[in-house]
This record gives sequence, structure tokens and C-alpha cells, in this order.
Amino acid sequence: GENVEQHPSTLSVQEGDSAVIKCTYSDSASNYFPWYKQELGKGPQLIIDIRSNVGEKKDQRIAVTLNKTAKHFSLHITETQPEDSAVYFCADNKLIFGAGTRLAVHP
Amino acid sequence: SQTIHQWPATLVQPVGSPLSLECTVEGTSNPNLYWYRQAAGRGLQLLFYSVGIGQISSEVPQNLSASRPQDRQFILSSKKLLLSDSGFYLCAWSPVGQGYGYTFGSGTRLTVV
Repeated sequence: GENVEQHPSTLSVQEGDSAVIKCTYSDSASNYFPWYKQELGKGPQLIIDIRSNVGEKKDQRIAVTLNKTAKHFSLHITETQPEDSAVYFCADNKLIFGAGTRLAVHP
Repeated sequence: SQTIHQWPATLVQPVGSPLSLECTVEGTSNPNLYWYRQAAGRGLQLLFYSVGIGQISSEVPQNLSASRPQDRQFILSSKKLLLSDSGFYLCAWSPVGQGYGYTFGSGTRLTVV
């Protein structure tokens, strides 16, 4: 069946470094790819999304890139800060979620 | 603007007791509604979704049920809770159609003891 694979499951970086989380999807018809951030004890919040008619989208320190040929998309966080520490989820057009990445940013 | 309300925030229930979690959405009509469960440190498991009043689809067999008595109200229930029902329950809504993200509620932490 259709699925979304997300890597890595955990990621630890120093404050100021960049963090990259990657997802691959199986449904070639997918044309919408959102990313969610979930802080401890809270519901996931949509932080950025991309549609298949563009290859990259940026919003301040976060960006998402999409490679439709390879069927993968990535979340890039630059100049990481401790408040970026959270679990991040990717999803596809049908809102099938990846397993999540726990990002820890150390001061 | 649209808002989603979910309550209670935390709940401790004994095994065998009933459950009722409620979710309401404001500021939109005919939303798609979802219930997810998240075990500690795990991903999001879709339990139920609804595209309209009285229309419920179940994704996994379990002792939980869902109902949608009104357009913007979604209820998760159980007649008899199991220990394995413990987890973080999330309600979410999305506009009709594909290509739109979810808006999640703040979640309910359920502990069955």
C-alpha cells in the first residue's frame, strides 16, 4: 500500500547547525506535502508545505525541497535554536504520515 | 478564523470504564474530521475519519467508536476501556478535498489504570 518513510528517527545537533529530515513517498499522484512540528504534550502544528508545481519553498529558517522524479522531499532547518527541539512529521497528499523525527538542539 | 477545541486535556480512567472525548470545530462548514492516537514516542495512528454527519470510517479494529452528531462535532467513545487504550488522542480537521493540511487539536492524554 501507499506509505511515507521518514529518516532519521532521531537527530541531535548543536545550536546554530543545520538539520535535514528526509521523506520518501510511494504514491506518484501525490501533489501536496506538509510538514508538522509537535512539541511535547501538544498537537502537531503545520509549519510549512509544498505543492508539486514548485521544487523549493522557504519560510525564514525553514525550507522544504521536493524531487518528484525521485519521490522524496526534505525539511531543512538552518541556524537551529533550542526551541526547534520537537518531533517533526512529514505527510503526503492523502495525509499519510511518516513515523516522525525527534530533533534535539543542544545549546 | 477556524479553531478546533478538544477536551479534556488529561484523563485518568479505570479499566472497564466508559470513555467520551469531544472535539468541535468553529469557523468552517462541512470539514473532514479525524481522530488519531499517538502512543508514547510513536507516530500518528489514524483511528477514524468523517466526511459528513453520521458518516464514519474506521481505519483499525478496536473497542473504540466515533460519532458525528453535528457538522462540526466529533466524538470518540468506548464502552469499556482497556489498558492498551492509553495514549495521546488527537482530533483534527481539514477542508474538503485533498491537498490541504490538517489543523490538530491540543490533544487528550488518556491514562487507563
